[in-house]
Amino acid sequence: GESVGLHLPTLSVQEGDNSIINCAYSNSASDYFIWYKQESGKGPQFIIDIRSNMDKRQGQRVTVLLNKTVKHLSLQIAATQPGDSAVYFCAESRTGTASKLTFGTGTRLQVTL
Amino acid sequence: DTAVSQTPKYLVTQMGNDKSIKCEQNLGHDTMYWYKQDSKKFLKIMFSYNNKELIINETVPNRFSPKSPDKAHLNLHINSLELGDSAVYFCASSRVSGGARGDTQYFGPGTRLTVL
Repeated sequence: GESVGLHLPTLSVQEGDNSIINCAYSNSASDYFIWYKQESGKGPQFIIDIRSNMDKRQGQRVTVLLNKTVKHLSLQIAATQPGDSAVYFCAESRTGTASKLTFGTGTRLQVTL
Repeated sequence: DTAVSQTPKYLVTQMGNDKSIKCEQNLGHDTMYWYKQDSKKFLKIMFSYNNKELIINETVPNRFSPKSPDKAHLNLHINSLELGDSAVYFCASSRVSGGARGDTQYFGPGTRLTVL
């Protein structure tokens, strides 16, 4: 069936270190992937996206890597800051499914001082 | 300059009641969505409207009825509320019908519904 899953439910990282949040998907037809950040009491906030014709995309302090061979997606956050503490979701969609995004279960990132 | 807004932010009600949640976006987007987030933070799409037309209707009880009076508004009406309806409901919008075209969905702040 369809699934988008995350390997680690909680990730603890020291301030200043790099964070890596992983996500696996099961459907090889998935061709668009997004990372969202959700802070406590707020709605998900777009971070970065990537299409299946790419394997890497960089933003400000964030990088998304896509490995279609093993159906794996990761979000790297450089120099993690306390403000990065949140739950991170990956989401995927497939051509022909219109605007339907399927979300993963989320990883909580805790930044320690 | 709120992009996607929802009212109310909190809603506490008794089982069996009927309630509505309102959503408005000022981004000029054509597509709007309703998502449900359960206690384990799992987010699942419920409905999507494009230019006031329903384009996604997931397996949602027919007690839930979305209404889009214009493309800037998408309201969610829930009849005969049940305990299992307790969740956070998020509205979102995107420029066009997104998905593989890569149109980002922008989320509202959420409405926490508690059914007693």
